[in-house]
Amino acid sequence: DGGITQSPKYLFRKEGQNVTLSCEQNLNHDAMYWYRQDPGQGLRLIYYSQIVNDFQKGDIAEGYSVSREKKESFPLTVTSAQKNPTAFYLCASMEWGGAGDTQYFGPGTRLTVL
Amino acid sequence: AQTVTQSQPEMSVQEAETVTLSCTYDTSESDYYLFWYKQPPSRQMILVIRQEAYKQQNATENRFSVNFQKAAKSFSLKISDSQLGDAAMYFCAYRSAESWGTYKYIFGTGTRLKVLA
Repeated sequence: DGGITQSPKYLFRKEGQNVTLSCEQNLNHDAMYWYRQDPGQGLRLIYYSQIVNDFQKGDIAEGYSVSREKKESFPLTVTSAQKNPTAFYLCASMEWGGAGDTQYFGPGTRLTVL
Repeated sequence: AQTVTQSQPEMSVQEAETVTLSCTYDTSESDYYLFWYKQPPSRQMILVIRQEAYKQQNATENRFSVNFQKAAKSFSLKISDSQLGDAAMYFCAYRSAESWGTYKYIFGTGTRLKVLA
């Protein structure tokens, strides 16, 4: 089945640690995105990538880093510089160009800082 | 910069009845896409319906339809014959179609829909 997978589903981090959230897609989509969702708020864009080896900061990139070495993978690292990382993280992908204008989402990762 | 506003944090509807969720947006662009996404308790984001701004006809997907008023910058979602499975958070989203390579989405804060049996 084609789709987007995120792992782990739940992640616990101690303060001062870096953690990496995985996002993989087998939809052959060019663009991939990371969002953060907090209670009572919509989705806020952290980073996005439109092609391999290229990515841009979103609205709340501070304390996060990404890489895009393969088309199907877009991991997000939450660094110790992120002061309030407890949130729900969603990964999405989208085909680029033509009729491809719809984002499809993974199931999400819930990150909790202990 | 574009903005998306959902002014109803929470709505309730009786099962089998119709409900309309509101969304307004602000943009200076003439070509864009609008979306409604549903997020059930599982938190999986699911596309409900999409509208292309250059199309006059309102999009429809089974029990879901939109009222797209481009001049008023309004994009409401109507759910007919509401079912218990429709209970979820609903997000309105905007995406520019004008700038090549600009594929950022802008989301509203969401409306929580409760369906009463």
